[in-house]
Amino acid sequence: NAGVTQTPKFRILKIGQSMTLQCTQDMNHNYMYWYRQDPGMGLKLIYYSVGAGITDKGEVPNGYNVSRSTTEDFPLRLELAAPSQTSVYFCASSYGTGYETQYFGPGTRLLVL
Amino acid sequence: DAKTTQPNSMESNEEEPVHLPCNHSTISGTDYIHWYRQLPSQGPEYVIHGLTSNVNNRMASLAIAEDRKSSTLILHRATLRDAAVYYCILRDYNNAGNMLTFGGGTRLMVKP
Repeated sequence: NAGVTQTPKFRILKIGQSMTLQCTQDMNHNYMYWYRQDPGMGLKLIYYSVGAGITDKGEVPNGYNVSRSTTEDFPLRLELAAPSQTSVYFCASSYGTGYETQYFGPGTRLLVL
Repeated sequence: DAKTTQPNSMESNEEEPVHLPCNHSTISGTDYIHWYRQLPSQGPEYVIHGLTSNVNNRMASLAIAEDRKSSTLILHRATLRDAAVYYCILRDYNNAGNMLTFGGGTRLMVKP
């Protein structure tokens, strides 16, 4: 199993540009998540999904959109990139809710200039 | 979710045991205590979790106070590879969102 994979590893965007961060998991997990981590800080939840076709906002959803058309994929869309979105983005997945372990991808480092 | 308090940083010598404390005085009866760690330039990874009893796995041990208001992650023999930020997280098993709420964590430095 590859686990959770993310692409790209690193990207530079200009202010106002858009991009999609890709996330794929091969563990047949129902739950998927997007977090962002600013330098020296803990992770903050952006969006999560409890299954295909179902998504919900986390703590910091503004400026982002998500979709979940399949169990495996959970892309994160940035519209009109801003310098405040400079961060490392982590995708994660888990089988279920409650105390289930979350498995994280390697992250995408995004720089908005 | 209830909050946790951890020291900002700790130091250890290689091959010595490390005890990483976590205070969670407002823990509820449905909160599990989880530990994740984040190695440099990587995503977080699960370490261990428990509810009331002490737990052991191949990575670490988790000692939970009888009143559950504090816990300690124990690395029995620290290696250089254990240098990471360790997060203590409370998770309500009734939480449908299943999100992890990360605090600042403890940065563990391991000296050779």
